[in-house]
Amino acid sequence: EPEVTQTPSHQVTQMGQEVILRCVPISNHLYFYWYRQILGQKVEFLVSFYNNEISEKSEIFDDQFSVERPDGSNFTLKIRSTKLEDSAMYFCASSGGSQDTQYFGPGTRLTVL
Amino acid sequence: AQSVSQHNHHVILSEAASLELGCNYSYGGTVNLFWYVQYPGQHLQLLLKYFSGDPLVKGIKGFEAEFIKSKFSFNLRKPSVQWSDTAEYFCAVIPISNDYKLSFGAGTTVTVRA
Repeated sequence: EPEVTQTPSHQVTQMGQEVILRCVPISNHLYFYWYRQILGQKVEFLVSFYNNEISEKSEIFDDQFSVERPDGSNFTLKIRSTKLEDSAMYFCASSGGSQDTQYFGPGTRLTVL
Repeated sequence: AQSVSQHNHHVILSEAASLELGCNYSYGGTVNLFWYVQYPGQHLQLLLKYFSGDPLVKGIKGFEAEFIKSKFSFNLRKPSVQWSDTAEYFCAVIPISNDYKLSFGAGTTVTVRA
């Protein structure tokens, strides 16, 4: 069964550094998403992406965040200058339709020191 | 903005006991509803979903959920749990509108004792 994959599984970085989290969505899906879960808190929506542009973003997704689909398979989340409060588990998801089931990757645990 | 409430933060029960996890959402329009499960060390997996039709939906591993529109609820049930059901369970909602985002409940940790 096709799966969403994410790399790396764990990323440790210094505050102020840039990080890129990578995702490979399910191949025939058209909608891509990033969510995050700070330890002990809810899973929160960050951004959705369709047709090579952002379709929706949350208040969390400020100018420090960007997403890109650099080729036909990868979907990346970049954080330009990480802050301590960016430490969280970041989940990528993809779906075939806009309100269809979203399939999640295993997550990347980002630790900002 | 819509919100999703899960009534229990942590549920502890013995094998063979019945499980019911409550989920309520606040959104006046039509929604698609989901339950996801996260087993220890694993990623979020879909347990079941409701889009339309029969409000009682069956999912994997013997789970079912009932959509009660008048109560804005989508409670998850399993008649007899196993130790392997130990996991965190998340209710999630997406409105049938221009929204793209899933709104998650806070999650319920279920611990099944052998």
